[in-house]
Amino acid sequence: GENVEQHPSTLSVQEGDSAVIKCTYSDSASNYFPWYKQELGKGPQLIIDIRSNVGEKKDQRIAVTLNKTAKHFSLHITETQPEDSAVYFCAASKGTDKLIFGTGTRLQVFP
Amino acid sequence: NAGVTQTPKFQVLKTGQSMTLQCAQDMNHEYMSWYRQDPGMGLRLIHYSVGAGITDQGEVPNGYNVSRSTTEDFPLRLLSAAPSQTSVYFCASSGLWAGNTIYFGEGSWLTVV
Repeated sequence: GENVEQHPSTLSVQEGDSAVIKCTYSDSASNYFPWYKQELGKGPQLIIDIRSNVGEKKDQRIAVTLNKTAKHFSLHITETQPEDSAVYFCAASKGTDKLIFGTGTRLQVFP
Repeated sequence: NAGVTQTPKFQVLKTGQSMTLQCAQDMNHEYMSWYRQDPGMGLRLIHYSVGAGITDQGEVPNGYNVSRSTTEDFPLRLLSAAPSQTSVYFCASSGLWAGNTIYFGEGSWLTVV
């Protein structure tokens, strides 16, 4: 079955700097890769996703890139702000298969 | 819009007790699921359902039961609570196919003593 690895587990950046979180997946047939943000005491919320027919997708300060050959995808946050502080999860799935999540990255943005 | 509603928010159980975590969604989603979240382990799938009357096991199903009598509701039952089931539980729902956004509830914090 699918296995998703996520790095780093914690990431601290200065406000205004960029943050990058990386994930690798094992099943080459996976075709859907969402990223979720979880704030303290809340459930995860989708922030951006990418499908396997696209190499990059941007939404304001966040972007996701996908390298199908290497089976890895990354979340990029530019001009980080304190409100970006949260736990971020990557995930992968295909067809009607269930999403498999990475283990999460705790991002801290210091003012 | 209520989305995915979970109850209770917090619960303390004694070892051996049983309880049910309730989950309801008002988006007419076919797919519903339960995850548990533990430090350093991410979100692990317990059970899921692709429609009323259909349930299946996820990665960590032992000690939990589910049923799906309606499209809207997907309760999670702990049959005989154990300290290892101390965790945060999330219910989620979505359309059936990959690429459909999964919506999570706010979580249920369960402590088994």
